[in-house]
Amino acid sequence: NAGVTQTPKFQVLKTGQSMTLQCAQDMNHEYMSWYRQDPGMGLRLIHYSVGAGITDQGEVPNGYNVSRSTTEDFPLRLLSAAPSQTSVYFCASSYLAQSYEQYFGPGTRLTVT
Amino acid sequence: SQQGEEDPQALSIQEGENATMNCSYKTSINNLQWYRQNSGRGLVHLILIRSNEREKHSGRLRVTLDTSKKSSSLLITASRAADTASYFCATAMAGGTSYGKLTFGQGTILTVHP
Repeated sequence: NAGVTQTPKFQVLKTGQSMTLQCAQDMNHEYMSWYRQDPGMGLRLIHYSVGAGITDQGEVPNGYNVSRSTTEDFPLRLLSAAPSQTSVYFCASSYLAQSYEQYFGPGTRLTVT
Repeated sequence: SQQGEEDPQALSIQEGENATMNCSYKTSINNLQWYRQNSGRGLVHLILIRSNEREKHSGRLRVTLDTSKKSSSLLITASRAADTASYFCATAMAGGTSYGKLTFGQGTILTVHP
């Protein structure tokens, strides 16, 4: 199994540009989520999904959009990039029940200038 | 807002020593998990302890949970240079609609000197 994969690994955007961060998992996990990690802030939940066609907001959803058309894929869209969105983005997946560990992708380092 | 607060923020020890990290949280939980993050990498799950458990072991790791104090500790025994990483606690809140949502602490940076 490849686990959780994310592309790209690095990205530089100009303010106002849009882009999509890709996330895929091959473990048939129902639950997928996106976090951002900033220095001294730990990980903060952006959006999550409990299955295909079902998404919901996390702690810091503004400026981001998600969709889940398949079990495997959960892309994160930045609608109009801002310098405040400079961060490292992690995708994670798990089985739906609360008592399961989450598997993380390797992350995407995004810089918005 | 951050559910978990970790202490200390940074810990520096010599190889062979034990490392203890603490995590406090605010609301009722279903379980608490510990993750490790090596520099520039994603998080890796270490251990999960449920709210009805008090202690759990996995290899050189020992986790305790005190729900009355809303706190947990992670002990790494006989540390190695390869244990150098950031360690995060994460809580899954109690309640049927929480699903797999985790709230992470800010992490403890552990440095183990050879």
